[in-house]
Amino acid sequence: NAGVTQTPKFQVLKTGQSMTLQCAQDMNHEYMSWYRQDPGMGLRLIHYSVGAGITDQGEVPNGYNVSRSTTEDFPLRLLSAAPSQTSVYFCASSLGLANTEAFFGQGTRLTVV
Amino acid sequence: GESVGLHLPTLSVQEGDNSIINCAYSNSASDYFIWYKQESGKGPQFIIDIRSNMDKRQGQRVTVLLNKTVKHLSLQIAATQPGDSAVYFCAGDTGRRALTFGSGTRLQVQP
Repeated sequence: NAGVTQTPKFQVLKTGQSMTLQCAQDMNHEYMSWYRQDPGMGLRLIHYSVGAGITDQGEVPNGYNVSRSTTEDFPLRLLSAAPSQTSVYFCASSLGLANTEAFFGQGTRLTVV
Repeated sequence: GESVGLHLPTLSVQEGDNSIINCAYSNSASDYFIWYKQESGKGPQFIIDIRSNMDKRQGQRVTVLLNKTVKHLSLQIAATQPGDSAVYFCAGDTGRRALTFGSGTRLQVQP
């Protein structure tokens, strides 16, 4: 099994550009989440999904959209990139939301200039 | 709001010594805690977890202790090795609908 796969690994955007960060898991997990990691701040939850067709906002959702059309995929869209969105983004999947181990992808390092 | 945090941003230990990384949380109703290890350029990796009905849980070279009275948990690494150098996060169920992460402790293992 590949686990959780994120693409791309690195990305540079200009302010105002849009892009989609891809996330796929092959563990048949119902729950998927997106986090961003900034220096000294740990991981902060952006959006999460409890199953196909169901998504909800996390701690820092502004500027991001998500959708969950299949169990396997959970893309994160940046609508109009801003320098404040420069960060490392992690996708995770799990059998439960807050009471089981979450499996993380390798991350996408995004720089907005 | 409810939080999960770590005590020290950096911990330096000698190779072969035991390491203790501490974490505090604020929600007394938190039911589940987990420790992750993150190496440079990689995603967090599961180390060990513990539920609130336990005080202690052991894995291979690692032990997690949970003190619900003072809302504190710790990760103990026995015979620390250079490969243990990483950032360690505690995360927990704070009543939100996903894990809440602390800010991390960087463990540096000195040869």
